[in-house]
Amino acid sequence: KQEVTQIPAALSVPEGENLVLNCSFTDSAIYNLQWFRQDPGKGLTSLLLIQSSQREQTSGRLNASLDKSSGRSTLYIAASQPGDSATYLCAVGNDYKLSFGAGTTVTVRA
Amino acid sequence: DAGVIQSPRHEVTEMGQEVTLRCKPISGHNSLFWYRQTMMRGLELLIYFNNNVPIDDSGMPEDRFSAKMPNASFSTLKIQPSEPRDSAVYFCASSFNPGGNEQFFGPGTRLTVL
Repeated sequence: KQEVTQIPAALSVPEGENLVLNCSFTDSAIYNLQWFRQDPGKGLTSLLLIQSSQREQTSGRLNASLDKSSGRSTLYIAASQPGDSATYLCAVGNDYKLSFGAGTTVTVRA
Repeated sequence: DAGVIQSPRHEVTEMGQEVTLRCKPISGHNSLFWYRQTMMRGLELLIYFNNNVPIDDSGMPEDRFSAKMPNASFSTLKIQPSEPRDSAVYFCASSFNPGGNEQFFGPGTRLTVL
């Protein structure tokens, strides 16, 4: 069974600092890895999808890397803003099945 | 596109009552998922449909839970009878041929069973 771990569970940074969120998984036989953002009381918004054959994916200030052999992915958010405050979830995909981490709750202080 | 649509957004009911949650997937997507999110267990897949056919229902917790997809644009998740431990946020998600493709989530239904 795929186990997904996200460290740290919570993170507080001043505005402008770069954010580094970590995700590790136990089974490297994956199809893809997806990063989501969840605001309090809201649904999940897909941020980035990395296919198993890719090493990284970028969208604006967001960059996600994938090292399948070591079972790790990192989400980088450059020049953080208060609007980046949310919970970030990592989900590892094997065919149709997504296994989710517990998330990292980020607070960006103005 | 309006994205995945779920209704109701909030549901409060009493133990023993029947609850029906509804979902409209993104047009053109052929796969639909029901998830449940709790503080204790995080996000769990309940059931997966492909082309309106249930493919994997191994996550459905008990016989009290049932799901249907009568056509490509509508699905329901029913709980009968409901219990307090069913209180959670239920999400519907859709995708096009999900092996390798993104899943898009709806806003969720927050269910409270008293």
